[in-house]
Amino acid sequence: DADVTQTPRNRITKTGKRIMLECSQTKGHDRMYWYRQDPGLGLRLIYYSFDVKDINKGEISDGYSVSRQAQAKFSLSLESAIPNQTALYFCATSEAGGPYQETQYFGPGTRLLVL
Amino acid sequence: AQSVAQPEDQVNVAEGNPLTVKCTYSVSGNPYLFWYVQYPNRGLQFLLKYITGDNLVKGSYGFEAEFNKSQTSFHLKKPSALVSDSALYFCAVRDRGSTLGRLYFGRGTQLTVWP
Repeated sequence: DADVTQTPRNRITKTGKRIMLECSQTKGHDRMYWYRQDPGLGLRLIYYSFDVKDINKGEISDGYSVSRQAQAKFSLSLESAIPNQTALYFCATSEAGGPYQETQYFGPGTRLLVL
Repeated sequence: AQSVAQPEDQVNVAEGNPLTVKCTYSVSGNPYLFWYVQYPNRGLQFLLKYITGDNLVKGSYGFEAEFNKSQTSFHLKKPSALVSDSALYFCAVRDRGSTLGRLYFGRGTQLTVWP
């Protein structure tokens, strides 16, 4: 979905480096999410935010932090990257309120390799 | 606890034949159910969802899914497969009673349609 963009699309980094992945959306959605995808494991939720002042840990938040700079921007940081954080990272957004607004819209993903 | 099972890692079908991708779920309350598709090097795209009402849900690209409460299943179907349907398919569930709004994803099923 072109309304959700992620930068960079690909990144190679070294163990111990701090890196930031960025997500921007023009859909006007309040809710934003960060997932990681690993082969055979599906998508696992790292962090989610229901508005600018609300940040929540997902199921695998250790080693990650996030910042919701504005309604449209949600960044994911790896404070000290390690090789098992090599994965495909997705940002997603959704509207708040009511079941018909629950569909999540995904960005194109960031492929991260930690050496 | 919420969970989703996709019992088949791979499904192979000939073009023109019907296809089924299976999904079963476990939630503490009533579910919202979703199917997403991921094409190579792309983010996840929404296909269809079950919220309430008719158990047969129709979605994009000729796909449909049937909600079966007694079997806790939400299998994805298409009457006549196309080679272009080859992709990775994810089932996801959300507990209707939850205010958190987060989705739980299955591990994905790789669909290959051969000519």
